[in-house]
Amino acid sequence: EPEVTQTPSHQVTQMGQEVILRCVPISNHLYFYWYRQILGQKVEFLVSFYNNEISEKSEIFDDQFSVERPDGSNFTLKIRSTKLEDSAMYFCASSEIKNTGELFFGEGSRLTVL
Amino acid sequence: LAKTTQPISMDSYEGQEVNITCSHNNIATNDYITWYQQFPSQGPRFIIQGYKTKVTNEVASLFIPADRKSSTLSLPRVSLSDTAVYYCLVGDSPFDTGRRALTFGSGTRLQVQP
Repeated sequence: EPEVTQTPSHQVTQMGQEVILRCVPISNHLYFYWYRQILGQKVEFLVSFYNNEISEKSEIFDDQFSVERPDGSNFTLKIRSTKLEDSAMYFCASSEIKNTGELFFGEGSRLTVL
Repeated sequence: LAKTTQPISMDSYEGQEVNITCSHNNIATNDYITWYQQFPSQGPRFIIQGYKTKVTNEVASLFIPADRKSSTLSLPRVSLSDTAVYYCLVGDSPFDTGRRALTFGSGTRLQVQP
């Protein structure tokens, strides 16, 4: 069964450092998403991406965040200068354009900012 | 986006049927109702989606009354492995070219006891 894969599974970084989280969406999917979940809290939407541009973003997705699909297979989330409060599990998801609305989520990348 | 309300937690025993009801009084005409399941430290997983009446798949059933202001996820004969958080989401119509992103609420934490 096709799946969304994310790397790294866990990253520890110092405050102020740049972090890039990588995702490989399911190959025939056209919509890509990043969500995050702070420990013990709900899953929060960050950004959606379609046709090589951001289609929607939340208030959380400020200038410190960016997304890119550099090579047609990877979908990356960059945090320019990490803060302590960026510590969370980051989930990538993808979906087909004309499906039932099902998002396929990856297993997540746990980011710990010290 | 329509706001959803669901119980914070539920307890059940193995072999029982579990029904989780979600209220969504402000559901829009084009909105679909989607349920996801999340295990600890994993990404959410699609369970079922419906628009009206009843939908059934190999995992669950979804009951939606005519006014669509609520929906009930029914899990037949739960097992210990069904212990998870269940999210009710409204929106993201597959016919909506804007593809509004799914927004997760707090979910219902289901605990299945032996």
